[in-house]
Amino acid sequence: DSGVTQTPKHLITATGQRVTLRCSPRSGDLSVYWYQQSLDQGLQFLIQYYNGEERAKGNILERFSAQQFPDLHSELNLSSLELGDSALYFCASSPPDGLFYEQYFGPGTRLTVT
Amino acid sequence: QKEVEQDPGPLSVPEGAIVSLNCTYSNSAFQYFMWYRQYSRKGPELLMYTYSSGNKEDGRFTAQVDKSSKYISLFIRDSQPSDSATYLCAMSDTGGTSYGKLTFGQGTILTVHP
Repeated sequence: DSGVTQTPKHLITATGQRVTLRCSPRSGDLSVYWYQQSLDQGLQFLIQYYNGEERAKGNILERFSAQQFPDLHSELNLSSLELGDSALYFCASSPPDGLFYEQYFGPGTRLTVT
Repeated sequence: QKEVEQDPGPLSVPEGAIVSLNCTYSNSAFQYFMWYRQYSRKGPELLMYTYSSGNKEDGRFTAQVDKSSKYISLFIRDSQPSDSATYLCAMSDTGGTSYGKLTFGQGTILTVHP
């Protein structure tokens, strides 16, 4: 158990809908990262937040948005869902002392868009 | 062409064998090199990290980085059935807006059979 929690574990929804994925980082970690993992694209970095502020952005679609709240939990919002958005979405957190590569991953949310 | 290339395998070896896993990359700005292990239906977990070129050893695992060839390797000695997992290489440059962004390879599926 990494100490990172993600809810829900599974999500099944229809095209065009909007969903929210939630992540709680490990106690004391200030950075939260979101990744998408699919069979064809592998594990891809979406976005990073550090203590409430956006720090780095990857291949995140405009239909996707994220935020980190004062209690440090984070939410990833996916809207106008398409079949191709079906994937595993992971959240990770890292220690506050700058070891950004030491990322602890949560168990993931499996999103299925039908 | 992807920034990081990794042979997806699958790789099947007998227990006790030496396993060699490799990645090549094209971005010369990468300075940090990591190996993550992902068990089925779990999030990735950090195995080892290396800064710049060189070797690093941790128990049965050895990580090597050759920046001149843009090539990294992970060796597993005396492989065990519990090593059966997907192994992901990951890389990052330093500073700027890429802070915290990891670029992953596709992952190599390894099976160690008794």
